[in-house]
Amino acid sequence: DTAVSQTPKYLVTQMGNDKSIKCEQNLGHDTMYWYKQDSKKFLKIMFSYNNKELIINETVPNRFSPKSPDKAHLNLHINSLELGDSAVYFCASSGTGEDTQYFGPGTRLTVL
Amino acid sequence: QKEVEQDPGPLSVPEGAIVSLNCTYSNSAFQYFMWYRQYSRKGPELLMYTYSSGNKEDGRFTAQVDKSSKYISLFIRDSQPSDSATYLCAMSGLGSSNTGKLIFGQGTTLQVKP
Repeated sequence: DTAVSQTPKYLVTQMGNDKSIKCEQNLGHDTMYWYKQDSKKFLKIMFSYNNKELIINETVPNRFSPKSPDKAHLNLHINSLELGDSAVYFCASSGTGEDTQYFGPGTRLTVL
Repeated sequence: QKEVEQDPGPLSVPEGAIVSLNCTYSNSAFQYFMWYRQYSRKGPELLMYTYSSGNKEDGRFTAQVDKSSKYISLFIRDSQPSDSATYLCAMSGLGSSNTGKLIFGQGTTLQVKP
């Protein structure tokens, strides 16, 4: 069973489009995250939700909007996609009070 | 200056070599230190987790933390071609243990040649 899963795995789209990435975890964790990894492998946190409540919101354009329908799911919606949004987006989760995070397989977004 | 500095490499070693991967950091509030391994086109997976200064060993892997120097290391003994991956250090502070905010290094790409 996959612990943290993301869909889709690959996403190719045109500039200006709106797209969503979905994440689900079956670890029973309370906290979920979105990270962006650029072409130089630098991994940077974007958002974090704990029990459906937003707790980390880094300096991210407001074109990015996370949504957590329940504590097992955290989706990322991106409006008006730009070339610079091309990256790999990782979802992760952690248990209450834990610092170790478990990552999904990533979604490779390419904006043309 | 980035909070966490890590030489991106690439680092190429022959099979069986001892590998040393390092990170330095500037924020003395960091208390929890992790090493993640990321294979090509995969998500990072947790390799080692340490809290205090000193060494922690797990099989061929040893994580070392020196808080006084703000320096952490990961040693891989008897390196294997299957160890070829990108190794990311990550850390968080006491305050951020409640928020879970991990700060990552850039990652070091390691290639172990047969």
